[in-house]
Amino acid sequence: NAGVTQTPKFRVLKTGQSMTLLCAQDMNHEYMYWYRQDPGMGLRLIHYSVGEGTTAKGEVPDGYNVSRLKKQNFLLGLESAAPSQTSVYFCASSTGLGVNIQYFGAGTRLSVL
Amino acid sequence: QQPVQSPQAVILREGEDAVINCSSSKALYSVHWYRQKHGEAPVFLMILLKGGEQKGHEKISASFNEKKQQSSLYLTASQLSYSGTYFCGTEDSGYALNFGKGTSLLVTP
Repeated sequence: NAGVTQTPKFRVLKTGQSMTLLCAQDMNHEYMYWYRQDPGMGLRLIHYSVGEGTTAKGEVPDGYNVSRLKKQNFLLGLESAAPSQTSVYFCASSTGLGVNIQYFGAGTRLSVL
Repeated sequence: QQPVQSPQAVILREGEDAVINCSSSKALYSVHWYRQKHGEAPVFLMILLKGGEQKGHEKISASFNEKKQQSSLYLTASQLSYSGTYFCGTEDSGYALNFGKGTSLLVTP
């Protein structure tokens, strides 16, 4: 069982470059989420999706865009990377029904120089 | 709105007990607890639902005071494997969780 898979695991970008982080889940979950984790800050929600074709802003959406074209995939894009976006990014998914337990991917460690 | 966790950090010896607290200023549907080992993803521990129902996977207990919007996680007879950072996630909208900043727990031999 793969669960939630994130690619890539590590990436180094230069300021101004763009990139896309991919999250794929094989649990047929409706809801998907992107978080960033910085030391001492906990997990902060960037964007989330409650179904295919829908997205919504979370707590810290600026500088990021997302798309959910297929139910199993949730993409996070950085159009023009900034050093402030250096972080560990986690994707999660949940059923969205009743007991809404979130299952996390292994994370992507991104450094912007 | 981010819930407040306390304490920020705690060091225990094997076999000792610990309590981690989580409080919110909003009315909550549920409180989730996750544990994260260094360099790994957060892993679900327990959910407490409005109305008192609990669902969990490990021998760790928790409480949810709906009137005060507070939850506590109880770790009894701690083991070395309990070390990690514990996060509470509060659900007030039915869509997403707001996570606290975490409580770092270290269990020593």
